[in-house]
Amino acid sequence: AQRVTQPEKLLSVFKGAPVELKCNYSYSGSPELFWYVQYSRQRLQLLLRHISRESIKGFTADLNKGETSFHLKKPFAQEEDSAMYYCALSPTGGGNKLTFGTGTQLKVEL
Amino acid sequence: GAVVSQHPSWVICKSGTSVKIECRSLDFQATTMFWYRQFPKQSLMLMATSNEGSKATYEQGVEKDKFLINHASLTLSTLTVTSAHPEDSSFYICSAYAGTGTTDTQYFGPGTRLTVL
Repeated sequence: AQRVTQPEKLLSVFKGAPVELKCNYSYSGSPELFWYVQYSRQRLQLLLRHISRESIKGFTADLNKGETSFHLKKPFAQEEDSAMYYCALSPTGGGNKLTFGTGTQLKVEL
Repeated sequence: GAVVSQHPSWVICKSGTSVKIECRSLDFQATTMFWYRQFPKQSLMLMATSNEGSKATYEQGVEKDKFLINHASLTLSTLTVTSAHPEDSSFYICSAYAGTGTTDTQYFGPGTRLTVL
């Protein structure tokens, strides 16, 4: 069975500081990994997915199969980055069922 | 584009009654819709996967007779919580997936908060 682990419930950083939200997964095959974000009082939305290899809002994430990790990074945190971030895994792609991690609340302080 | 709506956004009902929640894809046709449940300060747990015109596939531990799912069209899926009890109180979220082009991902609804008294 697949599993996604986000070890930090809360991550607090100062504005301008680097951010790294950790995500580790377990899955026997080759999964697709996602990061979703939920801003206050808004719906869950896709931030990025590993197959796209793109940077969204300054965030990047690299899939490390050896370490089974998909950490989310941003070099300089902005106040508007404060939100709940969920790492998710799908066995075969975006249309298949997602297994979510428990989420990390990012708080960017001035 | 790719907007998913849910109705109602908030519902309170008495124990023993049934509640229906609608999930609509407003500007695309969704071949598959998913229903999740989220407890306070916890992650989303997948309840079931529904494909248009066929029976829903429920995750282990989810009572299919308790949580009735109907996906009658490519833009509408409904979740009915039958004979609701206080332990069914939760935040229910749907997502819709089309699987082509820019919609090759799940788009989430805003959620429905159910409180059973």
